[in-house]
Amino acid sequence: GESVGLHLPTLSVQEGDNSIINCAYSNSASDYFIWYKQESGKGPQFIIDIRSNMDKRQGQRVTVLLNKTVKHLSLQIAATQPGDSAVYFCAEARGALTGGGNKLTFGTGTQLKVEL
Amino acid sequence: ETGVTQSPTHLIKTRGQQVTLRCSSQSGHNTVSWYQQALGQGPQFIFQYYREEENGRGNFPPRFSGLQFPNYSSELNVNALELDDSALYLCASRPQLSLAGAAGELFFGEGSRLTVL
Repeated sequence: GESVGLHLPTLSVQEGDNSIINCAYSNSASDYFIWYKQESGKGPQFIIDIRSNMDKRQGQRVTVLLNKTVKHLSLQIAATQPGDSAVYFCAEARGALTGGGNKLTFGTGTQLKVEL
Repeated sequence: ETGVTQSPTHLIKTRGQQVTLRCSSQSGHNTVSWYQQALGQGPQFIFQYYREEENGRGNFPPRFSGLQFPNYSSELNVNALELDDSALYLCASRPQLSLAGAAGELFFGEGSRLTVL
């Protein structure tokens, strides 16, 4: 079936530590995997994406790792800051998101709490 | 700031009523999709419009319908409201391919929170 799921509903980290948020997926046909951040009262905000033919991609303070063998995706946040506190969703998509009849399938989300 | 605005931000309806939610996207964003987000859950895809035509639908009944207009605005209409329709409704847009950034990036509004009593 088509599903994207997360291992932990809540993750608490100390400010300055690195955070790792994990996600499992079941659909081998996914072309893109995407991480979104959603702060309270706001819509999801794009963080980073990775194509299915890659295993690692880095952004500003964030790294996404993709392990297709075990169908696992992770988001690493370096030097976690209080502003990183939010719910993080992984999502998958097949095909380009422009023009075609494609969609994002979101997981349930992980609440990241940054402790001072 | 995503450039996507939604209205109203909050509304309360009773079971059986109809509701229209509105979204205004950035100029050049010719793909718009709508998502339903129940409390504590991830967003679920309702449908997508491209150049004013529906070209993808999730597992939602026909009483969920939409429109996309040439001025980059769109609507989500829900008829015969049910209690389970209570949720945050998110509009997301995407620019035309030539202006696109990251492949997986959608620009979300802040949502319309619908409560059905």
